[in-house]
Amino acid sequence: DSGVTQTPKHLITATGQRVTLRCSPRSGDLSVYWYQQSLDQGLQFLIQYYNGEERAKGNILERFSAQQFPDLHSELNLSSLELGDSALYFCASSVAHGGRDEQYFGPGTRLTVT
Amino acid sequence: EDQVTQSPEALRLQEGESSSLNCSYTVSGLRGLFWYRQDPGKGPEFLFTLYSAGEEKEKERLKATLTKKESFLHITAPKPEDSATYLCAVHPILRTSGTYKYIFGTGTRLKVLA
Repeated sequence: DSGVTQTPKHLITATGQRVTLRCSPRSGDLSVYWYQQSLDQGLQFLIQYYNGEERAKGNILERFSAQQFPDLHSELNLSSLELGDSALYFCASSVAHGGRDEQYFGPGTRLTVT
Repeated sequence: EDQVTQSPEALRLQEGESSSLNCSYTVSGLRGLFWYRQDPGKGPEFLFTLYSAGEEKEKERLKATLTKKESFLHITAPKPEDSATYLCAVHPILRTSGTYKYIFGTGTRLKVLA
């Protein structure tokens, strides 16, 4: 158990809908990262927050947004969902904001868009 | 363009048969290279971080090494419980654009047979 929690574990929704994925980092970690993992593209970095502020941005679509709250939990919002958004979404956390920190991953949320 | 390539894509070993996994990277500068282990349907689990060429780290049957162009994950006398997908990730040096990247390879699927 990494100490990172994600809810829900599974999510099934229809195209065009909006969903929110939630992540709680390990105790003491200030950075939260979001990743998308699909069979054909591997693990893709989406976005990083550090202590409530956006720190780094990867290949995140404009239909996706995220935020980190004062208690350090984070939410990833996915809107206008398409079939291609079906994937595993992982949250990870680390102590600091730099690229030299190892990341601890949660169990993931499996999103299925029908 | 920053890129990470892992080989082989899949590897089958007999228990006790040592081997190496390769991670080749092309980045403008490297802040850190990371190795993770991922079991099916679970989040990646951190193994090692390497920062500079010549660095080596060990953990049980695993040893990671780093050169200026690639990293190797050596598995000595593997056991069936070492079966997993091994992911390599790099964090390039921050560029003037101000954007960070975390780039994962597509992984090597390792199967160790008893």
